[in-house]
Parts: sequence; structure tokens; C-alpha cells
Amino acid sequence: QSVMTQPPSASGTPGQTVIISCSGTGSNIGSNSVKWYQQLPGTAPKILIYNNYQRPSGVPDRFSGSKSGTSASLAISGLQSEDEAAYYCATWDDHLNGVLFGGGTKLTVL
Amino acid sequence: QVQLQESGPGLVRPSETLSLTCTVSGGFISGDYWSWIRQPPGMGLEWIGYIHYSGSTHYTPSLRSRVAMSLDASKQQFSLRLTSVTAADRAVYYCARGPIAGYEGWFDPWGQGTLVTISS
Repeated sequence: QSVMTQPPSASGTPGQTVIISCSGTGSNIGSNSVKWYQQLPGTAPKILIYNNYQRPSGVPDRFSGSKSGTSASLAISGLQSEDEAAYYCATWDDHLNGVLFGGGTKLTVL
Repeated sequence: QVQLQESGPGLVRPSETLSLTCTVSGGFISGDYWSWIRQPPGMGLEWIGYIHYSGSTHYTPSLRSRVAMSLDASKQQFSLRLTSVTAADRAVYYCARGPIAGYEGWFDPWGQGTLVTISS
């Protein structure tokens, strides 16, 4: 089954580091690079991470990505109120033969 | 920088065809891949498929029988057609550039999105 699992919610206080996980399988995360998106309320998603850990220009280095085996993580350090958003992982799935998004994690900044 | 803008009817009757167009500005449509992604209200993202400037396409298997994408380079536009729509097709539809540099799942930028409601 082609599914990538993210926790539905996460939270943290300003200045903290929050880690959001994305669990997949050998047909998706295990064999393809992971991307991360931030979706602020009412807006389109924005790329944060591509190729597991690389940041496009303009993305603050507070955002970092990693991958190990069939799981990936997005870390947000120095948490700010404007980081309150939904975060999605994405990758190619070889069984699906298409792009797969995780279910999304809603981050609340307390 | 490249900007994308979706356009099309916001209301489609059940069993009819959803048609949307994405206009690319600030850059050229040539040489790149262009995708459609949708998001039912309050839910997650679903990739629909992509079209290359050359005209080659790739669709997600679950929608392949109902989807068609086309591209008009002279107008800097690419389009989505989804046939036989049902209430399950109600979503915000986004167009986006990508995949980028061979990285499947890397979409940037995105259009602002357009909500399509299915109702008689």
C-alpha cells in the first residue's frame, strides 16, 4: 500500500525545536528523495526541502531535513509564530508510479 | 520570477467535465514540466499528474481514466480536463511547475489555487 504517515499534529513554544516525521516504505521514501512543503492557512504550499535535506534559495536554515531508511524528518529550530502551518512530505512511489504526499502535520506554536 | 494563475469555472455539474487552465507568466513554459495537484477542503494534497513541454504526460493511476492534460506554448498555458466528476472531485486545484531538475515531487512555484465545487 502506498502511504506515507505523518503525525496529524505537533506543537512547540517559540524558540524551541520541533521535529515532524514522515514514515514510508521501501517503494517511496526508501528508494526516492523526500521533499517537504509548508502550507500557511489559506495559501498554496511552498517548498522547504528537496532531495531529503537541500533547501531552495530563500528558505531559512532553521528548516532542515533528513532521511534514514524508510523515514524522513523535518526539523524546525528557533520556532516562530509564523511557522504555524501545515507541513507535508512528498516523494515518488515506485508501486503507485506517481507522486505521493504524506497526510500532513498541523503545527501549532503555543 | 515565474508566476502561475489558475482559471476556470468554480462550479461543475455532476457527471460533467471539469476544465481548468493555468497561465504562466514571468518565465517561459518551454523546457519544463507542469503539474496539477488538488486538495479537498480541510484535507491533504493529491498529485493529479504532469505534462512536459514536449507534450508527454504522466497521470496518477487512480485518475488516469478521467484525466487529460494539454499545453499551448504560444499562450503560455497548460490545461486540465477531468471527466465524469462527482462530489469527491470537489477540491482546490493547484497548478505548479515541476517536477524540477528530475526531482519528482518538487513543485515550485504554485498557483494560488482555485476551488471547484461539484453540484447540480
